[in-house]
Amino acid sequence: AQSVTQLDSQVPVFEEAPVELRCNYSSSVSVYLFWYVQYPNQGLQLLLKYLSGSTLVKGINGFEAEFNKSQTSFHLRKPSVHISDTAEYFCAVSDIWGTDKLIFGTGTRLQVFP
Amino acid sequence: EAQVTQNPRYLITVTGKKLTVTCSQNMNHEYMSWYRQDPGLGLRQIYYSMNVEVTDKGDVPEGYKVSRKEKRNFPLILESPSPNQTSLYFCASSTVGQGLAKNIQYFGAGTRLSVL
Repeated sequence: AQSVTQLDSQVPVFEEAPVELRCNYSSSVSVYLFWYVQYPNQGLQLLLKYLSGSTLVKGINGFEAEFNKSQTSFHLRKPSVHISDTAEYFCAVSDIWGTDKLIFGTGTRLQVFP
Repeated sequence: EAQVTQNPRYLITVTGKKLTVTCSQNMNHEYMSWYRQDPGLGLRQIYYSMNVEVTDKGDVPEGYKVSRKEKRNFPLILESPSPNQTSLYFCASSTVGQGLAKNIQYFGAGTRLSVL
């Protein structure tokens, strides 16, 4: 079984500041890793994914994440945030050999202030 | 345009009155799934379907039913809704198989359900 822990439920930050949203996972098998973003009153949109290869993954809107197998982490970063990045961010994992089921973390609300 | 369409977007109902939330995708995806989103709990899978006539329980299936008679449609049925089913529901779909396309799930816009 897998589980995902997002350590921060809320992250307030000023515009143009850097941000890191933390995600740790637990799994007895190899997993794929994902970050999804949910803008207000919208569905979830894939931000980036790690399936294999380079551990530094670049996604949309200037976000990137680094897979760290030894620390079982997949933290999301952006060097300079915008007001429009205000949203809820979900980290998720999926067993690479199983069904397409996603196990989600509880989410981190990023609030960007002017 | 590739999309997952849920209807209705908002629904208020009373305890015990059967309801159906529809979900349709136009990407010819085999895999479809329903999640519920609750504050502090993230998204939890209710049911999923690997293909037509193949469905299985997720993590929180109690009180829900699904069917998959056609590849594009995956309705969620609440036979006798209760207040603890008040939640935000998402339908998702993806292609099955190995490779880079695996597990890339596309989500609908969500259905906010209130059961009084």
